[in-house]
Amino acid sequence: DGGITQSPKYLFRKEGQNVTLSCEQNLNHDAMYWYRQDPGQGLRLIYYSQIVNDFQKGDIAEGYSVSREKKESFPLTVTSAQKNPTAFYLCASSNARVGGELFFGEGSRLTVL
Amino acid sequence: KNEVEQSPQNLTAQEGEFITINCSYSVGISALHWLQQHPGGGIVSLFMLSSGKKKHGRLIATINIQEKHSSLHITASHPRDSAVYICAVIPRASNFGNEKLTFGTGTRLTIIP
Repeated sequence: DGGITQSPKYLFRKEGQNVTLSCEQNLNHDAMYWYRQDPGQGLRLIYYSQIVNDFQKGDIAEGYSVSREKKESFPLTVTSAQKNPTAFYLCASSNARVGGELFFGEGSRLTVL
Repeated sequence: KNEVEQSPQNLTAQEGEFITINCSYSVGISALHWLQQHPGGGIVSLFMLSSGKKKHGRLIATINIQEKHSSLHITASHPRDSAVYICAVIPRASNFGNEKLTFGTGTRLTIIP
């Protein structure tokens, strides 16, 4: 079945470590997004990519990095510069920028110990 | 910045009841999404609309552009409808796409058997 796969589902990290969250889609979508979800807040955009080898910062990009070397893959690295990385991270994709239905992964929960 | 307000924040109802969840926003929009977040965290797109009304099974979404308001209705509610329902909007502009989505904080729905 077509969809988005995120891994790992749960991840624990020590302070000062970088971690990479995987996001893979087989929907042939051009646009991919990374969101962060915190309790009591709406989803916030970290980074997005509309085409291979190109990506743009979202509203809260500081302390994060991404790459888009393949259409199917959009990994997110949470660096040690991110001050409060404990959160739920969601990856999404769509086949059009405007009016395109969003498809989400199951999310990755990162906890910094 | 566009604000998206959802009400109620929490809703508990008996199985079979008719459910209404509301979403209000403060600026003109090009599209509105209704999303469902399962207890495990994954998100599913329910509707995307810019005018009128859409229906899928027991779910109905309506939007009133003049009043900047949308509602999500669930008929004959069932315990499996228990989830968080999220409204998200794209402000109206010629070059705005899904990267401009602003999300509400969600309505947590619990259906009791």
